[in-house]
Amino acid sequence: DAEITQSPRHKITETGRQVTLACHQTWNHNNMFWYRQDLGHGLRLIHYSYGVQDTNKGEVSDGYSVSRSNTEDLPLTLESAASSQTSVYFCASSEQQGNGYTFGSGTRLTVV
Amino acid sequence: RKEVEQDPGPFNVPEGATVAFNCTYSNSASQSFFWYRQDCRKEPKLLMSVYSSGNEDGRFTAQLNRASQYISLLIRDSKLSDSATYLCVVVQGGSEKLVFGKGTKLTVNP
Repeated sequence: DAEITQSPRHKITETGRQVTLACHQTWNHNNMFWYRQDLGHGLRLIHYSYGVQDTNKGEVSDGYSVSRSNTEDLPLTLESAASSQTSVYFCASSEQQGNGYTFGSGTRLTVV
Repeated sequence: RKEVEQDPGPFNVPEGATVAFNCTYSNSASQSFFWYRQDCRKEPKLLMSVYSSGNEDGRFTAQLNRASQYISLLIRDSKLSDSATYLCVVVQGGSEKLVFGKGTKLTVNP
């Protein structure tokens, strides 16, 4: 069965370190998205991609980057982790508008 | 005005009750609408799409009023398993991006 997987499920890192969160989908979806979820803010869009070599900034993109070298993967990199980036990160994919998203199970990141 | 606004809740209802959630959106160009359900510490999952004509899926009914930019979700005969946070979601006009409300927490009590 097709799926979308995130890794790691949990990570603790130190301030200033570079961290990469993985997202892999086997749906063959063109659209992929990264969100973070924090209490009081709901889900906020970090970066998104509509296809290979396409990347776009969302509403909270500062300090994050993504790359899309193939259809299946959209890794999210925190260039220099900050305590404000402690959050739960969700990756999602979709085929086209009107179909909603399928989410990965999330990565809980703690920056100490 | 926030792009998607929901009742803040929380809602605490007894089993068997009927409960309604409301949501408003600000972008009149939005074309697609959804309700998602999120259980504690889990990923959001699509509950149902929302169509202009209204749609029903078992105990759940979703309605859209484009003129008022208003979306609703009605849950009839609440079950303990309906306890979750319900997210109102709007596809941003002219894009594939989903914009999420902050969610309304529902607790169904025995």
